Amino acid sequence: KAGVTQTPRYLIKTRGQQVTLSCSPISGHRSVSWYQQTPGQGLQFLFEYFSETQRNKGNFPGRFSGRQFSNSRSEMNVSTLELGDSALYLCASSPRGLAGITDTQYFGPGTRLTVL
Amino acid sequence: QQPVQSPQAVILREGEDAVINCSSSKALYSVHWYRQKHGEAPVFLMILLKGGEQKGHDKISASFNEKKQQSSLYLTASQLSYSGTYFCGSHGTQGAQKLVFGQGTRLTINP
Repeated sequence: KAGVTQTPRYLIKTRGQQVTLSCSPISGHRSVSWYQQTPGQGLQFLFEYFSETQRNKGNFPGRFSGRQFSNSRSEMNVSTLELGDSALYLCASSPRGLAGITDTQYFGPGTRLTVL
Repeated sequence: QQPVQSPQAVILREGEDAVINCSSSKALYSVHWYRQKHGEAPVFLMILLKGGEQKGHDKISASFNEKKQQSSLYLTASQLSYSGTYFCGSHGTQGAQKLVFGQGTRLTINP
């Protein structure tokens, strides 16, 4: 079974621009969660999508948004980029998602975003 | 609220044992443990549910003390491949649709 894939792997943007990141979950998984990873803050939950619906959202500003398509692929968008948005963005997929407490989260390799 | 992991970093020689702790000020319903090697994605290790159970495979095991709101990860006779950053993640309540991770513990195993 193919793992979780994320594109692009690396991205350099300038302040004020917007960016879209993509995540393709493991086949059959209906849940995709997004996390921001920085050296100082660790792994922080952004949001989770399940069957095209956002089920939960972390404490991030409205500049961070996402969506999920009928094939479970998900995109995350960040508008008006700030220097502090530089981070590794990870997505994780699972069959039932975070409501299924025993579900394992399968992480993708991440997209490294650098904002200049 | 983010679980607190301790220690933040530890350096061992191959064959030594390590314990990583994960504590929360709020009640824990479940604890997930992941390991992330440098430049790679986090990889699932195990899940523990409330009830004080202990799980393990190979020489890595974990316990979950519901009363103390704490989980501990035990690495016995550590191998070079155990190096990486270990994260605990917690569900505070049943059905809580959010997994909150600790800040991570960096483990370095030297020959």
